[in-house]
Amino acid sequence: AQSVTQLGSHVSVSEGALVLLRCNYSSSVPPYLFWYVQYPNQGLQLLLKYTTGATLVKGINGFEAEFKKSETSFHLTKPSAHMSDAAEYFCAVSDELTGGGNKLTFGTGTQLKVEL
Amino acid sequence: NAGVTQTPKFRVLKTGQSMTLLCAQDMNHEYMYWYRQDPGMGLRLIHYSVGEGTTAKGEVPDGYNVSRLKKQNFLLGLESAAPSQTSVYFCASSYPGLNLIRNQPQHFGDGTRLSIL
Repeated sequence: AQSVTQLGSHVSVSEGALVLLRCNYSSSVPPYLFWYVQYPNQGLQLLLKYTTGATLVKGINGFEAEFKKSETSFHLTKPSAHMSDAAEYFCAVSDELTGGGNKLTFGTGTQLKVEL
Repeated sequence: NAGVTQTPKFRVLKTGQSMTLLCAQDMNHEYMYWYRQDPGMGLRLIHYSVGEGTTAKGEVPDGYNVSRLKKQNFLLGLESAAPSQTSVYFCASSYPGLNLIRNQPQHFGDGTRLSIL
């Protein structure tokens, strides 16, 4: 079974500083990976996805993630944090379900706090 | 463009009561899913549907039933609510894609916060 591990349940950065949220995956097949963001009292919004090909994936709101097969990692970064980036971030790996559809297996999430 | 809409947004139940959570999507997606979100556990798949009239069990299906009578709607039922079912419930939908199912993102609703006393 595929899984993802997010290191650090809480991350705090200063406004304007680099954001780095860590995700490592475990998969016996080439993984399909996603990053989602959840703002308070809202659902999950897709930030970016990795399928195959380019290892650096650009997403919305200035976020990007780099797929490193040798390190089984898919870390999320943003060069300069904004107050509006404060949210919970989830890494997920996709698996095909029997009969169709795809199951997302989520990490436990990382709460990002941005301080002035 | 509404996307995925869940009703109700909040609900408090007593142990043993029943209720139905409604999910509606206007994107003509084939696949729909119900997840529950608990602190420190991420989201876990309860049930899913690959089309109108079909349903299947996910990883935590016990205590829940689902129905998909119309393509745009996916209902989650709790027949006899238990305190362990206190959670935030999310509905999601996705499109099959032309070639590969696994790379299709899922679109989420805003969730239903359910407390069972």
